Amino acid sequence: SAVISQKPSRDICQRGTSLTIQCQVDSQVTMMFWYRQQPGQSLTLIATANQGSEATYESGFVIDKFPISRPNLTFSTLTVSNMSPEDSSIYLCSVEAGTGSDEQFFGPGTRLTVL
Amino acid sequence: GQNIDQPTEMTATEGAIVQINCTYQTSGFNGLFWYQQHAGEAPTFLSYNVLDGLEEKGRFSSFLSRSKGYSYLLLKELQMKDSASYLCAVSLYSGGYQKVTFGTGTKLQVIP
Repeated sequence: SAVISQKPSRDICQRGTSLTIQCQVDSQVTMMFWYRQQPGQSLTLIATANQGSEATYESGFVIDKFPISRPNLTFSTLTVSNMSPEDSSIYLCSVEAGTGSDEQFFGPGTRLTVL
Repeated sequence: GQNIDQPTEMTATEGAIVQINCTYQTSGFNGLFWYQQHAGEAPTFLSYNVLDGLEEKGRFSSFLSRSKGYSYLLLKELQMKDSASYLCAVSLYSGGYQKVTFGTGTKLQVIP
C-alpha cells in the first residue's frame, strides 16, 4: 500500500489569496489525482497529474484556477488560486496502488476554509 | 457522461445486515469501487469488482452486475463503528489511465 501525506492539513485563508497544497507519496507512482470534496458532498475529480506532462483537467476545472505541478514520481502540488468562499472544501490527493491493483489510496486531505 | 445513484441515508440496527445499492450508467466501464469514509477522514478502500458476482471480505461483501449497471455493498453483523458514509465509484480507462468517478455517497447510521 502507498502512504500519502499532505501539507497543510488545514488552513484558513482570505478571499483573493492563493494556497498551494503539497502531496508526498512514499513510493514512485505514475499517476496522481486531485479531488475536491465540498461540505456534505462526495468527491469530485479536479485533475490527473502525470509526471513530466501537463495535468489533465476535468470539466469545470481550469489550469488558471487550479495549477498543478508534478516534478517527480513521488510529489505533486495543487494551487487554489484567487480563492473565494466557494473554494472552501477538502482537497484530497490520490494515487493508484499499481502492480496490477486498481485500488486507489487517498491522502488525509487538506481542509480549506476561505473567509 | 456518467451517472451514479445511491441512497442518501440509511439507518440500521447494531448486529443486523444492511445492503447499500448503487446503480450506474457510464461508457467505458471497467470496474466498481466501494469506499468507506468516516466524518472528517479520507476515504478508505473496501472493495473493487470487475466481474459479475459476489465477492466476500469478512463482514463486507460486494456484488456487481455489469449488464444491469448495478452493485450493492452488504454489511453483516453491523457494529457502531460502521456508521460512516459509503461511496460507490465507477472506474473507466480514459487516455491510458484509470479515471474514477464517485457517487454522492450513502450515510449509514448504526443504532443500538
